[in-house]
Amino acid sequence: AQTVTQSQPEMSVQEAETVTLSCTYDTSENNYYLFWYKQPPSRQMILVIRQEAYKQQNATENRFSVNFQKAAKSFSLKISDSQLGDTAMYFCAFIMKTSYDKVIFGPGTSLSVIP
Amino acid sequence: EAGVTQSPTHLIKTRGQQATLRCSPISGHTSVYWYQQALGLGLQFLLWYDEGEERNRGNFPPRFSGRQFPNYSSELNVNALELEDSALYLCASSLHNRGLLTNYGYTFGSGTRLTVV
Repeated sequence: AQTVTQSQPEMSVQEAETVTLSCTYDTSENNYYLFWYKQPPSRQMILVIRQEAYKQQNATENRFSVNFQKAAKSFSLKISDSQLGDTAMYFCAFIMKTSYDKVIFGPGTSLSVIP
Repeated sequence: EAGVTQSPTHLIKTRGQQATLRCSPISGHTSVYWYQQALGLGLQFLLWYDEGEERNRGNFPPRFSGRQFPNYSSELNVNALELEDSALYLCASSLHNRGLLTNYGYTFGSGTRLTVV
């Protein structure tokens, strides 16, 4: 069975600083996608960034970047120049290419950006 | 463009009752997904509807059911409510059934907070 683990239930970072959120996953599949979703207090889940497993290059979206280590099954999210609006729950998620209707989410990391 | 809308925002029911949650997908999206977000458990996949048919379901008992209407909106029904059904129920929609693999991705609503007392 596929699982996603986020070992940091809560984190905090000073505004304008950089923070890294950890995620590991377990699968025997070779073709899959990884995602980071953000859930602010408004509760709506927002896609932050995604990575295709067959691509070695790490995905980047503005201030958000990932460190994808396929062999280690690690997928961390780095947020640079943290802003107050980054305060949210962050979920790491995984989907197999053969079962793209069922996203497997990690338990989440609550990030607080401190002014 | 309106996003995924869910109603009601909050719902309080007593144990044993039935709850009905509603979801309207983004215009043009034909797939609707339901997830349960219980406290401390992350999101758990519940159901996937596409073109009016139930395509897949997660590890939930049969008292969790639903349907998708011709306009692609969807209902989630939870019968014989139990205290542990208290959770945030999130709906997501995507363009037909390729979900995250399309450029449009997977768009979530803001959820319905169900409390069972």
